[in-house]
Amino acid sequence: ETGVTQSPTHLIKTRGQQVTLRCSSQSGHNTVSWYQQALGQGPQFIFQYYREEENGRGNFPPRFSGLQFPNYSSELNVNALELDDSALYLCASSLVSAGDTEAFFGQGTRLTVV
Amino acid sequence: QKEVEQDPGPLSVPEGAIVSLNCTYSNSAFQYFMWYRQYSRKGPELLMYTYSSGNKEDGRFTAQVDKSSKYISLFIRDSQPSDSATYLCAMQYNQGGKLIFGQGTELSVKP
Repeated sequence: ETGVTQSPTHLIKTRGQQVTLRCSSQSGHNTVSWYQQALGQGPQFIFQYYREEENGRGNFPPRFSGLQFPNYSSELNVNALELDDSALYLCASSLVSAGDTEAFFGQGTRLTVV
Repeated sequence: QKEVEQDPGPLSVPEGAIVSLNCTYSNSAFQYFMWYRQYSRKGPELLMYTYSSGNKEDGRFTAQVDKSSKYISLFIRDSQPSDSATYLCAMQYNQGGKLIFGQGTELSVKP
């Protein structure tokens, strides 16, 4: 186990709804990244938070937003859900410091939009 | 053109075979190279991490990076059924930055 937990594990939403996914980082980690993994594809970077500030964003529309809290847990919010948002959403936590770059992934939240 | 290209397979080998997995990339600015293993319904787990060119060995696994050819490889010796999973290559421009993944190769090791 990586110590990174995500909730919920599965979720079904209707097109147009909003969803919030949650991630609890590994203890001591100050950075969290979110990825979207469509079926049969590699994960795609959504954004990264470092010490509660957004620290990089991938090619995703503004309806994908996030938060990182003082305890370094994190949320991914998606508004106006579309069918193509159906995917496995992964968070990865890391401690960004000299000589350390390993990102530990959670088990993911599988989102289905109908 | 994708930044990282990886043959999706599927790849099926008999137990005990040597497996070779490969990725090519287009951007010479990548500095950090990783291989992740992802079992069905699980998140990716880091197998190997390499900085710049060279080889790295860990048990049955060997990672190779050839920056001049923009080509990375993962070799698995004495493959086991428990190695059956999807293998993802990933790259970073800078330490701690975003990971850019290949599509993943689905590997099946038959007993």
